[in-house]
Amino acid sequence: LAKTTQPISMDSYEGQEVNITCSHNNIATNDYITWYQQFPSQGPRFIIQGYKTKVTNEVASLFIPADRKSSTLSLPRVSLSDTAVYYCLVGALSGNTPLVFGKGTRLSVIA
Amino acid sequence: DVKVTQSSRYLVKRTGEKVFLECVQDMDHENMFWYRQDPGLGLRLIYFSYDVKMKEKGDIPEGYSVSREKKERFSLILESASTNQTSMYLCASSLEAGVGGYTFGSGTRLTVV
Repeated sequence: LAKTTQPISMDSYEGQEVNITCSHNNIATNDYITWYQQFPSQGPRFIIQGYKTKVTNEVASLFIPADRKSSTLSLPRVSLSDTAVYYCLVGALSGNTPLVFGKGTRLSVIA
Repeated sequence: DVKVTQSSRYLVKRTGEKVFLECVQDMDHENMFWYRQDPGLGLRLIYFSYDVKMKEKGDIPEGYSVSREKKERFSLILESASTNQTSMYLCASSLEAGVGGYTFGSGTRLTVV
């Protein structure tokens, strides 16, 4: 898995858009970018995945520039329930290398 | 939806006891994993399994063993529990071992006293 760097923590007020950037300079050609979300006292859950340009689902958007050396997870109009740790992982979709989670970004949403 | 069920949400055990943590998944996934999570250390991989009766060591296997006799069940065993094994234990399963599609259980918070 490619090494990733993301901020340790972020604060936001309710209703704001939050952007969490992840750096992955040594991303390989067949690597995908995946984000997981972990609420307190729960296991991480998959929220979004992409290869290039932009991906959007009901939870978030993922922006990936042409060089793919970074990516940005965008959470529109956050609420208190979006308080969680967000993990960025980069690697192939298949293979025999288990996921290695970094420390993620702890997002705190304030009323 | 894939479901990964961990048998206990909270567990308190005494030092030296043999502890079994059970994990069951219902989607016929080949791969299963055990992680532990501690404040400031993130998730660390203990053991994983790609198939029945197969197991591979992760980053921190010392003091643990695993068993996978059936495809849907992956057990983590603490041979002789110690206080430094007090932690949140998370089980996951996936069809592939890559970045996509891991489903985690809700975790077992184990306290060793």
